[in-house]
Amino acid sequence: DQQVKQNSPSLSVQEGRISILNCDYTNSMFDYFLWYKKYPAEGPTFLISISSIKDKNEDGRFTVFLNKSAKHLSLHIVPSQPGDSAVYFCAASRRTYKYIFGTGTRLKVLA
Amino acid sequence: GAGVSQSPRYKVAKRGQDVALRCDPISGHVSLFWYQQALGQGPEFLTYFQNEAQLDKSGLPSDRFFAERPEGSVSTLKIQRTQQEDSAVYLCASSPRMGAYEQYFGPGTRLTVT
Repeated sequence: DQQVKQNSPSLSVQEGRISILNCDYTNSMFDYFLWYKKYPAEGPTFLISISSIKDKNEDGRFTVFLNKSAKHLSLHIVPSQPGDSAVYFCAASRRTYKYIFGTGTRLKVLA
Repeated sequence: GAGVSQSPRYKVAKRGQDVALRCDPISGHVSLFWYQQALGQGPEFLTYFQNEAQLDKSGLPSDRFFAERPEGSVSTLKIQRTQQEDSAVYLCASSPRMGAYEQYFGPGTRLTVT
């Protein structure tokens, strides 16, 4: 049973527009969420995180929103750049080291 | 500074062979993790070390999988009698704090069992 789901395997966005990547989870005990970005032949790179006591966290062009009642989080990238083209994974944990990852969304930003 | 490194980057093994995958974490990082990433999936937790102590090996899929970190730095993941379902990318991650949340990943070792 997939506890963390990324239902869109891929997404294409024009350069300069907003990219919105979505993630749903089933376990209400999760209280810490992260987004990782992965380029081909490289390991995942930490992007941004959010604790369950917040509903928004912003870092430059990247903003993560958390809706606990809907068990949903999203990553907004504004404005999108071609260098943002990568696979994005969301991950959840219960305040421990053990992450549960989603299956990833491949973002392609078109120049 | 140097990030997490893993070797070899690619490994082809015949079914039944034993393999050893190496991870060099970021210097001084206390925590070390191994993940298995199958094609089209996200990474799945295998095991966790705090210094040399293996505190959690709940994700190891069978007793053919064994990990060690004898001096609290370099770690080795060993798979005995490899099978085709072991084919995956094996990722190592390290973190500066105990049980910390931000993990720094290496590039992975792609294992193909034929």
